[in-house]
Amino acid sequence: DQQVKQNSPSLSVQEGRISILNCDYTNSMFDYFLWYKKYPAEGPTFLISISSIKDKNEDGRFTVFLNKSAKHLSLHIVPSQPGDSAVYFCAASDQGGSEKLVFGKGTKLTVNP
Amino acid sequence: NAGVTQTPKFQVLKTGQSMTLQCAQDMNHNSMYWYRQDPGMGLRLIYYSASEGTTDKGEVPNGYNVSRLNKREFSLRLESAAPSQTSVYFCASTWRGWGYTFGSGTRLTVV
Repeated sequence: DQQVKQNSPSLSVQEGRISILNCDYTNSMFDYFLWYKKYPAEGPTFLISISSIKDKNEDGRFTVFLNKSAKHLSLHIVPSQPGDSAVYFCAASDQGGSEKLVFGKGTKLTVNP
Repeated sequence: NAGVTQTPKFQVLKTGQSMTLQCAQDMNHNSMYWYRQDPGMGLRLIYYSASEGTTDKGEVPNGYNVSRLNKREFSLRLESAAPSQTSVYFCASTWRGWGYTFGSGTRLTVV
């Protein structure tokens, strides 16, 4: 049973536009959420995170929104750049429990020039 | 640079052969993890070690063993490789779960 779901395997946007990547989770014990970015032949790298006590966190062009009642989070990239083309993984953990990260299957973002 | 180092980067094995994937971190992290990434499957946890001397199974542990040699090193062993273990393997470490640092991966092919 998938606890973290990224239902869109791929997303294509034009350079300069907004990219919105979505993630849903089922485990109500999750209280810390992260986004990782992965380029081919490299390991995932941390992008941005949010604690369940917040509903929004910004870091430059990247903003993560958390809707706890809907068990949904999204990553907004504005404006999108060709260098943002990568696979994005949503991850969640229960910081009061095992601290293990549970990952979604990833969304491949392509930003077209 | 500080981080997580994995060796080897590439490996081809014949079915039934054994090998050990090595991982070392120099960030003084307590917890270390082994994940595998397969197309359309995301990152799946194989084994993890919450601290030196402890190891626990993750989501897909069958066919693997691990050793937490010391605080820095966490190795993954395939005793008898199978084609189903063809994958990209990532090691990661963290301090109290606040974001993982990943290695660059080992691409393993079992023929």
